[in-house]
Order: sequence, then structure tokens, then C-alpha cells
Amino acid sequence: DVKVTQSSRYLVKRTGEKVFLECVQDMDHENMFWYRQDPGLGLRLIYFSYDVKMKEKGDIPEGYSVSREKKERFSLILESASTNQTSMYLCASSFVMVSGANVLTFGAGSRLTVL
Amino acid sequence: AQSVAQPEDQVNVAEGNPLTVKCTYSVSGNPYLFWYVQYPNRGLQFLLKYITGDNLVKGSYGFEAEFNKSQTSFHLKKPSALVSDSALYFCAVRGNTGFQKLVFGTGTRLLVSP
Repeated sequence: DVKVTQSSRYLVKRTGEKVFLECVQDMDHENMFWYRQDPGLGLRLIYFSYDVKMKEKGDIPEGYSVSREKKERFSLILESASTNQTSMYLCASSFVMVSGANVLTFGAGSRLTVL
Repeated sequence: AQSVAQPEDQVNVAEGNPLTVKCTYSVSGNPYLFWYVQYPNRGLQFLLKYITGDNLVKGSYGFEAEFNKSQTSFHLKKPSALVSDSALYFCAVRGNTGFQKLVFGTGTRLLVSP
């Protein structure tokens, strides 16, 4: 089975701290994604990457950055955490399909609380 | 721009009864449609997808979904609900022209009572 592993299930940070969320996938997927999940808002795309060192902004990139130095690893960085970034963060990966009908495989999520 | 609507925040159904979770969409071109499920304290899992062909798509755990182009809908169904089906269900859509992002709905919580 494809595995997407998020290093931290629960984090508590203080306002202004720098936060790193790590994601690793083991199936050689080209695409990797970071989503934010909030009640009533569903999943919103923060950033995605379709290759090493490549990144594209999603719908809500403000306050976030990403890093993809290796194919299997995609990191989400909060340079200065704020309380409105308290949320569940989901990492996902997929192969590239010419048809575009690729299925995403998700990690278990990282629940971040910013105090 | 593509969008997805899941009009029900929650659906309640008794075990053994049929269930329907509704989804409507808007997209440029023809749609690729997906259903994902999220069990408590877990990530999303893929259930099924529609790309082309037969309007009735069968997926995991006995779920199926019916694509209706005229009504721009892709409702999730199961003939007989189980308590273990209780979870959060997300519909998602992507257009099939060029590069288009996958857009998720807000989710519908399904509660199956014994």
C-alpha cells in the first residue's frame, strides 16, 4: 500500500513560532500536496509540487511556504505561526496521469494548535 | 472555476436502510468526479471516481455513485448502511481540459444508527 506519513499528529505552538510540518511518501509519486481542513470549509489547497524543487501556490498560500528537496519529502513551513493557522493539515501525493484523473493518497493529518 | 456543493452538513440513516449523500458540481469541460471518506482521526481515503463511460460507478465498501450530467450531480449511494459507514464524506471535482485543480466540497457527516 502507498503510505503517506506525516511526522507529527498533534502540535501545540505559540504565536510567532516557526513551524515545520513534514510529509514523506514511499511510492515514488511525482505530485505532492498540502491541504488545510477546517469545519464547514472542507479542504483548501495551500501548495502543491509536481517535481523536486518545484512548487505552485494553491488557493490559500498566504502565511505558508513549502520545500521539496527530495522527491519523497514535502515540507510545509509556517514562518511565524498565528492563531488563525490553528487547523488540521493534510498531506497528499499522487502519480501524474495524462488524463488528470489521478487519485490522491492522504496522510493521517497533523492537528496544529497555535496559542 | 470549478466548484462543488454538498448541501447537507449531516445525513442520518438507520442501519440496513439505503443511504444517499448528495453532491453537485460546476466545471469547465467534462468533469472528473471523486468521492473520499474520512474516518475519525484518519486521513481521507479514496472511495470511487467517475472519468467517462457508465454513469453508475462502483467503489469500495459497497458504495456506488451515479453521474447525472443534466443535473450536474454525482450522488453517493449504498443500498444498505452499516454503523461502520459513519464518517465524513467529501465530493471532489476536476475539469478534464488543461491543468485544473481538484476542488473539494465542504463534506457531509454520515451517521448510521444501530
